[in-house]
Amino acid sequence: KAGVTQTPRYLIKTRGQQVTLSCSPISGHRSVSWYQQTPGQGLQFLFEYFSETQRNKGNFPGRFSGRQFSNSRSEMNVSTLELGDSALYLCASSLAGAAFEQFFGPGTRLTVL
Amino acid sequence: KNQVEQSPQSLIILEGKNCTLQCNYTVSPFSNLRWYKQDTGRGPVSLTIMTFSENTKSNGRYTATLDADTKQSSLHITASQLSDSASYICVVSGLDTNAGKSTFGDGTTLTVKP
Repeated sequence: KAGVTQTPRYLIKTRGQQVTLSCSPISGHRSVSWYQQTPGQGLQFLFEYFSETQRNKGNFPGRFSGRQFSNSRSEMNVSTLELGDSALYLCASSLAGAAFEQFFGPGTRLTVL
Repeated sequence: KNQVEQSPQSLIILEGKNCTLQCNYTVSPFSNLRWYKQDTGRGPVSLTIMTFSENTKSNGRYTATLDADTKQSSLHITASQLSDSASYICVVSGLDTNAGKSTFGDGTTLTVKP
C-alpha cells in the first residue's frame, strides 16, 4: 500500500508570496491533518480535514487555510508569507481521525526569504 | 490546558546500551497515547499506540509502558543501534471535549554514538 505523499518536497519563496502544498493520503483514509514543525520546536497542529470538512483547527492566523477534495487529497495554502513561516510542513493521514493512529508524509520544507 | 511533557530533552548513549524516555501528560479524559520516531528532516513514524486499558506494548527493541493513574508513559529502547538516533515524540489524545484532538510533546532527541 502506498504511503502518504507530499509535494513539493522543497520550496523557496519570498516574503509576501503565497504557497500551496499538496498531500495525498493513504488509500481509504479520509482524515488528513496538517502540522508545522520549526527547528527545535514540536509539531504544531494546523487543521484536520475529514471527508472534505474541516473538523478541527489549531491556533494559526487566517493566512493558513486548507481544503480537502472528494478523493481525500488535501491542499494547504499560506498567503502573504512571512519569514517565520519557514518550516517543515507535515501532513498525516488516518483512517479514523487525528486522535488515532496517523501515518505521516515526508514533509515539505518551505523556506521564506 | 492539556499538556504533554517529555524528558529528558536530549540524551546521548553508547551503541548497545539501553535507555528510557519519559512522557508525562495532563490530558483527561484520555483516549490513547502514541510514540513516534522522527529522523531528521523526515516525517514521524509510528512506534506504538496504547489505549487506557493497555499498560505495555512492544515493537521490536522498543517497549512502551503506560500508567494511566499517574498519567505517565515511558519508551524503553533495548540494545541501541546507531540508527536509533532520532527524535522521539509522545502524543496523547483525549475524549469528550478533547475528542479528535491530539497533544504533542516536544520530543526527546536521542543520539547513539559508536
